Amino acid sequence: QVQLQESGPGLVKPSQTLSLTCTVSGGSVSSGDYYWAWIRQPPGRSPEWLSYIFSAGSTYYNPSLKSRLSASMDKPKNQFSLSLTSVTELDTALYYCATIQFGRGRYLQNWGQGTLVSVSS
Amino acid sequence: EKVMTQSPATLSVSPGERVTLSCMASESIGTNLAWYQQKPGQAPRLLIYDASTRATDIPVRFSGSGSGTEFTLTISSLQAEDFAVYYCQQYANWITFGQGTRLDI
Repeated sequence: QVQLQESGPGLVKPSQTLSLTCTVSGGSVSSGDYYWAWIRQPPGRSPEWLSYIFSAGSTYYNPSLKSRLSASMDKPKNQFSLSLTSVTELDTALYYCATIQFGRGRYLQNWGQGTLVSVSS
Repeated sequence: EKVMTQSPATLSVSPGERVTLSCMASESIGTNLAWYQQKPGQAPRLLIYDASTRATDIPVRFSGSGSGTEFTLTISSLQAEDFAVYYCQQYANWITFGQGTRLDI
């Protein structure tokens, strides 16, 4: 069973760039078995899909946020990451990483526990 | 963007009851629908995918049905641990979630 652990800055100032990392255990980001996804959930609201990336380097972004998002992988560290530029208070949320099994529908099978990011000056 | 609408927003129920939650898509999504359960302080947990297939280790009291634009999640006999928020998610075109249905005691 793949396990995921998010890490992030906790607090980011408006207009700055938010950087998140997900560390994978029990599987390999290089394997091609999964897409590696990011989802966020503002307090009291429903989840919002942000991005997913495949081992071959293909990246996919939520069209409404595409201009601000950048996903990447660090295969030696078995991690994948997401950057979100020009943050505002609206980007305050619990950020999750998750897996989407390759070759199946884009449903989210395994989730990390999430990392809370607050945007405030 | 395919908009997912869940109803009701909140449902007050009792243990042992049969419950049906609704999810509607703004346009046809075939059977590209998943359901998740989320308890306070936890990540969402996949219950159902492809509209009607239970995920690994999900109890048989959870069942999903529907296709096109109308979907339901049924819990045949509510257990105490089922009180949570339930989300539907479409994956026919990118990924979008409904706003959730909260099951309250």
